[in-house]
Amino acid sequence: GQNIDQPTEMTATEGAIVQINCTYQTSGFNGLFWYQQHAGEAPTFLSYNVLDGLEEKGRFSSFLSRSKGYSYLLLKELQMKDSASYLCAVMDSNYQLIWGAGTKLIIKP
Amino acid sequence: GAVVSQHPSWVICKSGTSVKIECRSLDFQATTMFWYRQFPKQSLMLMATSNEGSKATYEQGVEKDKFLINHASLTLSTLTVTSAHPEDSSFYICSARDEGQGVDGYTFGSGTRLTVV
Repeated sequence: GQNIDQPTEMTATEGAIVQINCTYQTSGFNGLFWYQQHAGEAPTFLSYNVLDGLEEKGRFSSFLSRSKGYSYLLLKELQMKDSASYLCAVMDSNYQLIWGAGTKLIIKP
Repeated sequence: GAVVSQHPSWVICKSGTSVKIECRSLDFQATTMFWYRQFPKQSLMLMATSNEGSKATYEQGVEKDKFLINHASLTLSTLTVTSAHPEDSSFYICSARDEGQGVDGYTFGSGTRLTVV
C-alpha cells in the first residue's frame, strides 16, 4: 500500500531552526511536495523535490533522498506566523498526490 | 501565478438538502481538477478527479451518486453534495494544475467548510 509518515506535532522556539521529517512508500514517484496549511485555510505550496539533494528557498529548505524514501523540510529563523500544519505529499506513478497527515508546528516565544 | 477560486467559503445546511460547491480556475484552463475532503486533524483525502467533458473518476469508497461532479468547461468544476447528512460535515477543497507553470502551478482553492445540521 501507499504510506506517508510524518510526526503529528512539533514544538519549536521563535528564532530557532526546526526540521520536519517525512518518509514515504508509494507506487512510483514523480516528486515530493511540501505544503503549509494554516487552520481553516487551504494548503499553500512551499517546495517540490524530484531529484536527490537540498533545495533552498529563503528561510525554508527541503531535502530528498529517493533511495531512502525520505524527505525533510527545514525552517530557519522561525517566526510566530510559521505556526501551521506542514503537509508532505508524494506524486505517484499516476500523477496523483498522496498526502501525509500533516505535522502541526507550534512556535513558542 | 495560477489562481483557483472556490465558493462558497462556508455553508450551513439542513440535513437532507443539497449543497453545490464551485471551483474556478481564474487565469488558466484546467482539463483536470481534484476534489478533496479533510476532516479535523486529518490529511487531505482525494475524493475524485474531475475531467472536463467526461465523467469524473471517483476514489474507492466515495459514492458517486452522493457527490455529483460536473466539469462542463475548462475553467469550472462543481461538486454537489446531495441529501447531505451531519457526517458529511467537513472541509472540501478543490485544486487544479496550470500545466504551463510546472509544479508551482498545482494550486488549491480556498476551501469550503460545510456544516450539516
